[in-house]
Amino acid sequence: IVMTQSPLSLPVTPGEPASISCRSSQSLLRSDGFHQLTWYLQKPGQSPQLLFYLASNRASGVPDRFSVIGSGTDFMLKISRVEAEDVGAYYCMQTLQGPITFGQGTRLEIK
Amino acid sequence: EVQLVESGGGLVQPGGSLRLSCAASGFTFSNYWMAWFRQGPGRGLEWMAGINPDGSESYYVDSVKGRFTISRDSAEKSLYLQMNSLRVEDSAVYFCARADKSSYDPWGQGTLVTVAS
Repeated sequence: IVMTQSPLSLPVTPGEPASISCRSSQSLLRSDGFHQLTWYLQKPGQSPQLLFYLASNRASGVPDRFSVIGSGTDFMLKISRVEAEDVGAYYCMQTLQGPITFGQGTRLEIK
Repeated sequence: EVQLVESGGGLVQPGGSLRLSCAASGFTFSNYWMAWFRQGPGRGLEWMAGINPDGSESYYVDSVKGRFTISRDSAEKSLYLQMNSLRVEDSAVYFCARADKSSYDPWGQGTLVTVAS
């Protein structure tokens, strides 16, 4: 399954909203109604940290200004008000079918 | 606290071998699928291999099949990646991660592998 993210680079003014698109070449919906899509944030010099699992389930400690919408093959990670600590590379990942695949990553930077 | 700590990276010549280790703590290691990922210099994330809780099933990305072997030791609470016939393009930071909720969390801090002559 090919995962495609856009944009690849995202300069944002603090306090402004931001959105990252993730599209899959096949539906990520499984038979029980959940989508096997994950979002990670990799801050500079760190390993990836989990943001959302099963598409829209927020991981522990993730601020509620982060949200995910979408279904099937089209998903969007939304940040309502970007803060300086949100800088890094955002990746979507599918685990529905082997091999596990990632989007190319979206680098969020502060203007 | 759930923790994963990788080790074993280093500089190796093309065609050489390296064995990576991942020490797990803070959870019942024998209950979880585990996996190795990598990230090449300035590049994105790539899944390499996965293994089931008792070590009886393993899966690999096509580019490493026949060269890399994933394994685990429940007594040692450790995950391993034996890498043979290494190529320059295998140079990357290698991460181990625990499967959880149809995702992978947490990830270790990574270990750097450099393949160069």
